[in-house]
Amino acid sequence: AQSVTQLDSQVPVFEEAPVELRCNYSSSVSVYLFWYVQYPNQGLQLLLKYLSGSTLVKGINGFEAEFNKSQTSFHLRKPSVHISDTAEYFCAVIAYGGATNKLIFGTGTLLAVQP
Amino acid sequence: KAGVTQTPRYLIKTRGQQVTLSCSPISGHRSVSWYQQTPGQGLQFLFEYFSETQRNKGNFPGRFSGRQFSNSRSEMNVSTLELGDSALYLCASSPPGPPYEQYFGPGTRLTVT
Repeated sequence: AQSVTQLDSQVPVFEEAPVELRCNYSSSVSVYLFWYVQYPNQGLQLLLKYLSGSTLVKGINGFEAEFNKSQTSFHLRKPSVHISDTAEYFCAVIAYGGATNKLIFGTGTLLAVQP
Repeated sequence: KAGVTQTPRYLIKTRGQQVTLSCSPISGHRSVSWYQQTPGQGLQFLFEYFSETQRNKGNFPGRFSGRQFSNSRSEMNVSTLELGDSALYLCASSPPGPPYEQYFGPGTRLTVT
């Protein structure tokens, strides 16, 4: 079974400051890793994904994430945030080679960007 | 390509009633999954359909059911609605092949009174 932990329920940050949203996962098999963003009253939008290869993946809106196998982490970063980045961010995994496409989500981190 | 569409976007029902939500996946996607999102429980997997067959099911009571049609469109049904069923119901579709990333629709906001 897989599980995802997002330790920070809320991260306040000032505009133009860097930010890191933390994600750790647990799985007995290899997983694909994803970050999604949800703006108020909207569905989830895929930010980026990690399959294999380079451990640093770049996504949309200037976000990037680094996969660390030894620490089973997949932290999301942005060097300079904007007010428009205020949203909830979800880390998720899918088991590699599994028979279904069941996404396991973390509990989400609310990124609150202040002017 | 058009994204995942869900209808209706908002719905208000009374306890005891039943409801049907609809989802149209991205063209070419044959896998459709449903999730329930609530402030208390977060995002929870309901079920997944692939080629008209339910491939996986989450831990929800039998009042929650779904189906998929030959054109990959999917519906989910909730019978005998309870107050606790108030939630945002999200549908997602996946392209064939790994990593099976899911693309979500805008959701249906169901309020049960």
